[in-house]
Amino acid sequence: GENVEQHPSTLSVQEGDSAVIKCTYSDSASNYFPWYKQELGKRPQLIIDIRSNVGEKKDQRIAVTLNKTAKHFSLHITETQPEDSAVYFCAASPPSGGYNKLIFGAGTRLAVHP
Amino acid sequence: SQTIHQWPATLVQPVGSPLSLECTVEGTSNPNLYWYRQAAGRGLQLLFYSIGIDQISSEVPQNLSASRPQDRQFILSSKKLLLSDSGFYLCAWSPDSSSYNEQFFGPGTRLTVL
Repeated sequence: GENVEQHPSTLSVQEGDSAVIKCTYSDSASNYFPWYKQELGKRPQLIIDIRSNVGEKKDQRIAVTLNKTAKHFSLHITETQPEDSAVYFCAASPPSGGYNKLIFGAGTRLAVHP
Repeated sequence: SQTIHQWPATLVQPVGSPLSLECTVEGTSNPNLYWYRQAAGRGLQLLFYSIGIDQISSEVPQNLSASRPQDRQFILSSKKLLLSDSGFYLCAWSPDSSSYNEQFFGPGTRLTVL
């Protein structure tokens, strides 16, 4: 089955710097790759996603890139702010009979220091 | 717009006691529904998914069970809780369409088994 690995597990940056989180997946048939942000004690919130027919997607300060050949995708946050501090999860969606299964990475704890 | 509810928000139960967590979705019909568990400081583990009433599939063997008595209601149960059942339980929904992969999470139930 699909396996998603996420790195790094923790990331500490200064406010204004960029942050990059990387994920690799094992099932070449996976076709959808979302990123979720989870603040302490809260539910995961979808922040950006990308489908396998697109190489890059950007939404203001966040962007996601996908390399299907290498089976990896990355989250880029520019001009980080303290409110970006949270745990970020990547996920991959392998074909699963129409019910949209998501396999999650283990998460990256991002700390943005003022 | 669609909303997802979970209750209770927090629960403290003794080992060996039963469990019933409820999830309901509003503003959509025939959603795909999911139960995840998140252990403290860990990632998201898919427990059950459902594509329709009384159509439940389990992802991992455990002492938990799930039921979907109504289209927009998903229940997670246990007859006898174990210490290892402690965690943050998240319900999620996605549209009933193979072209939509997004999953949206409920606010979660924090379960502590003592």
